Amino acid sequence: DGGITQSPKYLFRKEGQNVTLSCEQNLNHDAMYWYRQDPGQGLRLIYYSQIVNDFQKGDIAEGYSVSREKKESFPLTVTSAQKNPTAFYLCASKPTDRHNQPQHFGDGTRLSIL
Amino acid sequence: ELKVEQNPLFLSMQEGKNYTIYCNYSTTSDRLYWYRQDPGKSLESLFVLLSNGAVKQEGRLMASLDTKARLSTLHITAAVHDLSATYFCAVPGNQFYFGTGTSLTVIP
Repeated sequence: DGGITQSPKYLFRKEGQNVTLSCEQNLNHDAMYWYRQDPGQGLRLIYYSQIVNDFQKGDIAEGYSVSREKKESFPLTVTSAQKNPTAFYLCASKPTDRHNQPQHFGDGTRLSIL
Repeated sequence: ELKVEQNPLFLSMQEGKNYTIYCNYSTTSDRLYWYRQDPGKSLESLFVLLSNGAVKQEGRLMASLDTKARLSTLHITAAVHDLSATYFCAVPGNQFYFGTGTSLTVIP
């Protein structure tokens, strides 16, 4: 079955450490997205990518970095510059040629500070 | 920047009652999406509304879109406990713009 796989499900970060969240999709979607969700809040866009080797900043990109070297993969690095990283991180994807389709979401990664 | 507002933010209702969640957005769009999120889980697509006057129904939920008023509604009929979740609307633009979410609790 096609879908989006995020790993790990839970992640703990020590102060000053960079951590990378994985997002892999086998839906053959061109567009991929990273969102942050804080408790009781909506989704805020961190980065998105419409095509391989290209990505754009979202509303809260500071302290985060991404790469898009393969269509299937869109990893997110939470750097030490992100001072309040504790949140639920959601990856999503969408086909760009069928632009009425909704975004498909992974199961999320919950990141906490040690 | 496109703004998407939902109300109410929190909704507690008794089983068997009806209620409507509202989603307003600030600029023109002919499409709107509704998602459901269970606590601690991911988002699941509920409805895709693609034109003015579009209406979609699934079980006790019915969604509609009025693009002229920039308004979508999610109507709940005869609520049951299983509908307890957070509901988000989303409007596409350069990116997807999500509403703040409506946390629904259905009380037996």
